[in-house]
Amino acid sequence: EPEVTQTPSHQVTQMGQEVILRCVPISNHLYFYWYRQILGQKVEFLVSFYNNEISEKSEIFDDQFSVERPDGSNFTLKIRSTKLEDSAMYFCASSGQTLNTEAFFGQGTRLTVV
Amino acid sequence: AQSVAQPEDQVNVAEGNPLTVKCTYSVSGNPYLFWYVQYPNRGLQFLLKYITGDNLVKGSYGFEAEFNKSQTSFHLKKPSALVSDSALYFCAVTGAIFNKFYFGSGTKLNVKP
Repeated sequence: EPEVTQTPSHQVTQMGQEVILRCVPISNHLYFYWYRQILGQKVEFLVSFYNNEISEKSEIFDDQFSVERPDGSNFTLKIRSTKLEDSAMYFCASSGQTLNTEAFFGQGTRLTVV
Repeated sequence: AQSVAQPEDQVNVAEGNPLTVKCTYSVSGNPYLFWYVQYPNRGLQFLLKYITGDNLVKGSYGFEAEFNKSQTSFHLKKPSALVSDSALYFCAVTGAIFNKFYFGSGTKLNVKP
């Protein structure tokens, strides 16, 4: 069964450093998302991406964040100058050909900023 | 504004008993509704969805949900709970004009033997 894969599973970084979280969405999907979850609680929307551009972004997704789809398979989230409060589980998701299909989530990258 | 409410932080049920996890929503236009389950240290796993058609939808692991337009609800149900159903459950909504899924705050389901 196709799945969304995320790497790394766990990333520890020092405050102020840049991190790149990587995702390989399901191959024929057109919509891509990043969400994050702090301490196993609320799932917070960060950004959605379609047709090689950002469709929507939340207030959390400020200039510190960027997304890229550098080739036909990868979808990355870059966090510049990380802060302690960026520590969270980051989930990538993708959904199919239309908006009325479910999103499939990866297993997440646990980001710890120290 | 679009939103999803899960009024119970936690639901406790004995194994073998029926379970209900509540969800209400507010969205412009026709809603597309989803339930996801999350096991510890894992991603969100799709359970079921309502897009259109029959108000009662069936999904994975014996779960079902009923769409009620007048009450703007989409409660998750299962006739007989298993201990292995213990997990965090999220309700989500989107629609034809939206670019994201709106998630509820999650309900922790505890099924005791």
